[in-house]
Amino acid sequence: ETGVTQSPTHLIKTRGQQVTLRCSSQSGHNTVSWYQQALGQGPQFIFQYYREEENGRGNFPPRFSGLQFPNYSSELNVNALELDDSALYLCASSVQTGGVTEAFFGQGTRLTVV
Amino acid sequence: KNEVEQSPQNLTAQEGEFITINCSYSVGISALHWLQQHPGGGIVSLFMLSSGKKKHGRLIATINIQEKHSSLHITASHPRDSAVYICAVPNTGNQFYFGTGTSLTVIP
Repeated sequence: ETGVTQSPTHLIKTRGQQVTLRCSSQSGHNTVSWYQQALGQGPQFIFQYYREEENGRGNFPPRFSGLQFPNYSSELNVNALELDDSALYLCASSVQTGGVTEAFFGQGTRLTVV
Repeated sequence: KNEVEQSPQNLTAQEGEFITINCSYSVGISALHWLQQHPGGGIVSLFMLSSGKKKHGRLIATINIQEKHSSLHITASHPRDSAVYICAVPNTGNQFYFGTGTSLTVIP
């Protein structure tokens, strides 16, 4: 059992709406990464936050944004939803200790845009 | 060439068979993760390992850091083991590279 919880687990939104997905990270993990997994595809890196600042971004438009909070929780916000945004969204929290990366994955939020 | 490659892509087994899924990677890592995803479901973390072997129930994961290779074994496979199994490795920036996944079907 990991210490990473995502909410909600499932969500249906209408095209053009905005959505906020949440991730409660493992305590002490100062890094959180978000991934998008479209149906039948592997996860794609969206962005990463380290100590509350964006620390890397994949090939996603600016309407994908995020926040990381001091209490190890984070958010993924998507504005102006498009049908192609329908996917499983994963967060992974991690910390490097002594050269070893400890990371845990959340179970994902399945977003459906109609 | 992908940074993380898995084989086989698809695997069908009879209930009770011993199953092996392989993962090779080209990036330098400190730990490798095995994940499980049931159809339409979320991700379940099975193992995080940086050396040697780990066992949890009927699942065994091994890793050879020098050869950059890991295997996931399932003993006495069961239909409920049917899922996609994914290996994932972090780069130095803690961003993960994911394998393409192995779709396992266990037939009763």
